[in-house]
Amino acid sequence: GAGVSQSPRYKVAKRGQDVALRCDPISGHVSLFWYQQALGQGPEFLTYFQNEAQLDKSGLPSDRFFAERPEGSVSTLKIQRTQQEDSAVYLCASSLGGGSDTQYFGPGTRLTVL
Amino acid sequence: AQTVTQSQPEMSVQEAETVTLSCTYDTSESDYYLFWYKQPPSRQMILVIRQEAYKQQNATENRFSVNFQKAAKSFSLKISDSQLGDAAMYFCAYRDFPGGATNKLIFGTGTLLAVQP
Repeated sequence: GAGVSQSPRYKVAKRGQDVALRCDPISGHVSLFWYQQALGQGPEFLTYFQNEAQLDKSGLPSDRFFAERPEGSVSTLKIQRTQQEDSAVYLCASSLGGGSDTQYFGPGTRLTVL
Repeated sequence: AQTVTQSQPEMSVQEAETVTLSCTYDTSESDYYLFWYKQPPSRQMILVIRQEAYKQQNATENRFSVNFQKAAKSFSLKISDSQLGDAAMYFCAYRDFPGGATNKLIFGTGTLLAVQP
């Protein structure tokens, strides 16, 4: 596609519910990143995929967070048993995967946990 | 661990004037990348400019230029001839050179730029 797309753009969940956030990267981009952006803060790294392999998940805040990219294209970030502190904008970025590549960001999903 | 610091939470500039946004960072690496991203209210993060640490020449993209001082670990963004469309949150970001510890971007806390007509 022309850019990184994310869905839904907005998600409201009740505390304890599970949510799934989708990212569709730019076609042909090997690398995919998830970031979490709290209100008034800069994005913070969650996890990184190269094709279908999850090479770095050091930023996932708890075992309630899970990400997958089974076919090396679309990725899903799943949050189980959501908590109020999970409220944030979740940004997805993709890059070609080369040595000097630039990350291109999607519009984000704003998650609000009530 | 690498860190990025933006000490100006908010800045304001008159249309057509010049403004400089500050950024400092800390790393023990000698090779790395630095970026400025713009995030308008729509939330889409847009790359403004990038700098490779091994290049001595400061990067320039039209009205946007950087002042990269490697020894001081400083990376400021200058916006010339400011336009109303430049109003946004600006983030400074760091990334290890390929082969380094990680491919992730490390962001500062951002500077909110207002452009006055």
